[in-house]
Amino acid sequence: KAGVTQTPRYLIKTRGQQVTLSCSPISGHRSVSWYQQTPGQGLQFLFEYFSETQRNKGNFPGRFSGRQFSNSRSEMNVSTLELGDSALYLCASEDGTDTQYFGPGTRLTVL
Amino acid sequence: AQSVAQPEDQVNVAEGNPLTVKCTYSVSGNPYLFWYVQYPNRGLQFLLKYITGDNLVKGSYGFEAEFNKSQTSFHLKKPSALVSDSALYFCAVVADSWGKLQFGAGTQVVVTP
Repeated sequence: KAGVTQTPRYLIKTRGQQVTLSCSPISGHRSVSWYQQTPGQGLQFLFEYFSETQRNKGNFPGRFSGRQFSNSRSEMNVSTLELGDSALYLCASEDGTDTQYFGPGTRLTVL
Repeated sequence: AQSVAQPEDQVNVAEGNPLTVKCTYSVSGNPYLFWYVQYPNRGLQFLLKYITGDNLVKGSYGFEAEFNKSQTSFHLKKPSALVSDSALYFCAVVADSWGKLQFGAGTQVVVTP
């Protein structure tokens, strides 16, 4: 099976802009989670979707949002970008046994 | 709340020597524990997990981990390290909510030839 794919791999934006990141899970996986990774805060959970419903959300401001489509693909959106949003954003799909498989990530740089 | 701790920021080992990366956990109930590895500019790769059963879990690339309930530990081990094992290693536990893994801070492993 193909792994989790994320697009784009790299993004450069300026403060105040918005950005949309995309994630395609492993075929058959219905749960998709998103994480933010920074040197200072490490890996932090953003949210999780299952069957198009957000089931769980981490402690991030409302500028961070997401959605999931009927084919389990997911997107996350960050509005009004801040410098501190620069990070590696990781998407993971779960196989039904609590094991999450991660994509390569999207490296977002905010200038 | 579920949590894991990785007490070492970095572990240095010579190629061919045993490698151990430490992890301790704090959970209520039965822990679901994981190890992941991250190479530079890459996502996390799943190595192994403990759900229940044998305390010694075998995973990918020759890694194994030992679950110790009395010491609340889940240390990652490899009998003979390779230079290519140099990477960032994360211990994680399933948090008490859907789809959320709680990660440790990570341990950088450096294997020298």
